[in-house]
Amino acid sequence: AAGVIQSPRHLIKEKRETATLKCYPIPRHDTVYWYQQGPGQDPQFLISFYEKMQSDKGSIPDRFSAQQFSDYHSELNMSSLELGDSALYFCASSLPQTDEQFFGPGTRLTVL
Amino acid sequence: SQQGEEDPQALSIQEGENATMNCSYKTSINNLQWYRQNSGRGLVHLILIRSNEREKHSGRLRVTLDTSKKSSSLLITASRAADTASYFCATGPVGGANSKLTFGKGITLSVRP
Repeated sequence: AAGVIQSPRHLIKEKRETATLKCYPIPRHDTVYWYQQGPGQDPQFLISFYEKMQSDKGSIPDRFSAQQFSDYHSELNMSSLELGDSALYFCASSLPQTDEQFFGPGTRLTVL
Repeated sequence: SQQGEEDPQALSIQEGENATMNCSYKTSINNLQWYRQNSGRGLVHLILIRSNEREKHSGRLRVTLDTSKKSSSLLITASRAADTASYFCATGPVGGANSKLTFGKGITLSVRP
């Protein structure tokens, strides 16, 4: 069965650089969620999109932005990267009007 | 912010034994989900239980939910070495579907062969 695809899987950036993370949801899933998991931490909700519109916003820094495109894939743009942004970034997707979220393998971002 | 507290934080058992992990949460919920995460990898959805359900089974998994105590337990029976992972509970808020999940701290389960 198709799963959520995230790219890249690993990313190394320098401080103050920018990064773009991509997420391709499971086919027919119209809602995409982004979560951040710091080392040894639980995942924290960042932002979500439903039918290409932002549906909810969590603890996402102003330096980060995201959008969902017409094909339902989503991109998380991160600017002015800081050391503390080093984390696993997960994308999840869900079917319309359902609660189960299916997670991708994550992008491991390392900021040096 | 932290919603769920898992208990215990770490658990080590022998293969074949049962593992019970507990989770507590603070606010009203629509559903509670359990996920498994192998070291530094993706989150695998295990089971979802709704606020109007008390118990649910899936294979070797049994989940209970006590909304009066705001707590849930995950029981893995006849554990295997492959069950070694971190386990998280996550709650979905009251309201519409497709809502964000609030995760608790993970429980690290080690199953010794």
